[in-house]
Amino acid sequence: ETGVTQTPRHLVMGMTNKKSLKCEQHLGHNAMYWYKQSAKKPLELMFVYNFKEQTENNSVPSRFSPECPNSSHLFLHLHTLQPEDSALYLCASSQEGTPQETQYFGPGTRLLVL
Amino acid sequence: KNEVEQSPQNLTAQEGEFITINCSYSVGISALHWLQQHPGGGIVSLFMLSSGKKKHGRLIATINIQEKHSSLHITASHPRDSAVYICAVSTTGNQFYFGTGTSLTVIP
Repeated sequence: ETGVTQTPRHLVMGMTNKKSLKCEQHLGHNAMYWYKQSAKKPLELMFVYNFKEQTENNSVPSRFSPECPNSSHLFLHLHTLQPEDSALYLCASSQEGTPQETQYFGPGTRLLVL
Repeated sequence: KNEVEQSPQNLTAQEGEFITINCSYSVGISALHWLQQHPGGGIVSLFMLSSGKKKHGRLIATINIQEKHSSLHITASHPRDSAVYICAVSTTGNQFYFGTGTSLTVIP
């Protein structure tokens, strides 16, 4: 248990569906992250939120839409995804969002887009 | 070419063996991280270091800033050490770069 939870753990969706991934951290951290992990590829940082403000968007397609209503919760809204978006989506948190910090990861949501 | 390269990609060891996983990077960093990912996906941070050496139980991580190289050592390996080990670096510009991971299998 890292103190970061993600739901759902598994998700299958069609290309026309709309779904949301949820992340919650119980560590009192101020920074939260979304990562994508595709097979045989390095982890890709998608979004960073620091004190609820988005500070990083690494050229992520607009079909992925993040939302951070407070420092403890982070959502990733998905719509009109493509099969190549199938991957493991990992959420992480850290205290202040600086590069020198340890990040705490959730268990991930394994997404399959049909 | 990836900013972070790990070797080997796959490693099989007998229980009790001493294991070394290597990481080289090509960018200026503020910290280097070693992560462990178990089957099922969850990732645990093992070490964060910016110089020298750190030890936690049977795990040792070293870094040579001049050579842009880090190693993760596991002493007296055990089947429960079987996982993917990921090297990652963070830069002063708040960029994160990840290696593709080393898949370790320890056989009883």
